[in-house]
Amino acid sequence: AQTVTQSQPEMSVQEAETVTLSCTYDTSESNYYLFWYKQPPSRQMILVIRQEAYKQQNATENRFSVNFQKAAKSFSLKISDSQLGDTAMYFCAFGTQGGSEKLVFGKGTKLTVNP
Amino acid sequence: EAGVVQSPRYKIIEKKQPVAFWCNPISGHNTLYWYRQNLGQGPELLIRYENEEAVDDSQLPKDRFSAERLKGVDSTLKIQPAELGDSAVYLCASSPGAHSGNTIYFGEGSWLTVV
Repeated sequence: AQTVTQSQPEMSVQEAETVTLSCTYDTSESNYYLFWYKQPPSRQMILVIRQEAYKQQNATENRFSVNFQKAAKSFSLKISDSQLGDTAMYFCAFGTQGGSEKLVFGKGTKLTVNP
Repeated sequence: EAGVVQSPRYKIIEKKQPVAFWCNPISGHNTLYWYRQNLGQGPELLIRYENEEAVDDSQLPKDRFSAERLKGVDSTLKIQPAELGDSAVYLCASSPGAHSGNTIYFGEGSWLTVV
């Protein structure tokens, strides 16, 4: 079974600074997908970024980028130029390849961006 | 395009009472999920539908939980009777199909409090 671990329950950053959220996972599969979701107080899960395990290039989406280390099973999220609207829970999630769209989530990191 | 719609957003019931949640997925999405998110945790899958067929319900407590997806569109999740431990956010999500790596889109969730 796959597991996802987020070791930072809470983090804070000053507005306009850069912050990195950590995520590690455990799997025996070689092909899979990794996701970062943002969950504001409204509770809606919003996709931030996704990474296909077969791609060596790290995914980027505007101010959001990942550092994907497949051998280390590490998938960290870097947020550059942090904005107040980035304040939310961030969840790392693992998705298998092969027909099952089940996502396994970590416990989340609460990020606070301070003015 | 409308996102995943859930209702009710909030529900408070006494233990042993029944409750039902409704979900309308994104138009054209064949795959529908029900996740449960306990306080301080990431979402956990309860059941996944491919069209009208429940293909993964291994985590659904079948003694008190039931779900249906008539005509492969809308879905209803029912709890009867509710217990105090059922207090959680129930998230509905959908994706285009059982193709590896399809992004899963979430609704805003239904908050259940059992007193």
